[in-house]
Amino acid sequence: AQSVTQPDIHITVSEGASLELRCNYSYGATPYLFWYVQSPGQGLQLLLKYFSGDTLVQGIKGFEAEFKRSQSSFNLRKPSVHWSDAAEYFCAVGVKNTGNQFYFGTGTSLTVIP
Amino acid sequence: NAGVTQTPKFQVLKTGQSMTLQCAQDMNHEYMSWYRQDPGMGLRLIHYSVGAGITDQGEVPNGYNVSRSTTEDFPLRLLSAAPSQTSVYFCASSNWGRSGANVLTFGAGSRLTVL
Repeated sequence: AQSVTQPDIHITVSEGASLELRCNYSYGATPYLFWYVQSPGQGLQLLLKYFSGDTLVQGIKGFEAEFKRSQSSFNLRKPSVHWSDAAEYFCAVGVKNTGNQFYFGTGTSLTVIP
Repeated sequence: NAGVTQTPKFQVLKTGQSMTLQCAQDMNHEYMSWYRQDPGMGLRLIHYSVGAGITDQGEVPNGYNVSRSTTEDFPLRLLSAAPSQTSVYFCASSNWGRSGANVLTFGAGSRLTVL
C-alpha cells in the first residue's frame, strides 16, 4: 500500500535559520509529489510539486524540495525561515491508477522563534 | 474564479442528526474528493469522484455518503452524525487525467462538531 511518512511531528527553528522538513514515501513507481502548507484555520495551499525532470524543484515563498529516488524522499528546504512560515506542512503523493488518489503524510508543525 | 467553495464553514450537530456539507468548484475539474483532518492523523480520504456519476470510497468512508450529479458539485452527507465525526472537512478538486498540473486545489474547510 502507498504511504507517506513525515517523521517530524513538530520542529522549532529560529527566525533566519535554515529549515529542512523530511518526507518519505512508499510506492512502486515514481509518483507525483507535493508539499502543501496550512496556516492556522486555513485551507491547504500548494507550495511546490514534482512530476518529472529536474529533481530540485522551486516553489513559492522561497521553498525548494529535492526528489531522491534512491531514498524515496522528497524533503522540503528553505535557506532562511521567516516568522510568517510558522504553519503545518504536509507532504503528499499522487498515484495515478484506477483510483487516481492522493495520499498525505501526518504533517509537520513548524514553530518559528524570534 | 472562486476555486473550491465549501459551505458551511462551521456546524454543530447533535448525535443522530443528518446534514450535508456542500462543495462546488468552478474549474471544470473532473476529480473531486473529501478529506477529514484530525490532530496527529493528517488528511484522510473519505470519498472521491473521477467524474459525474462516478464515486468511490477512500480510506474512511463509513458514516458518509456522496453523489456526483454534476461536474461542479460534490456534496458529502452525514446520515446519522456521531461524536467520532467531529473533525475539519476539506473538499478538494483536480484536473487529474488531463495534460497539465495534476494538483489538488482545496476549499477553506468546514469545521463540524457533533455533541
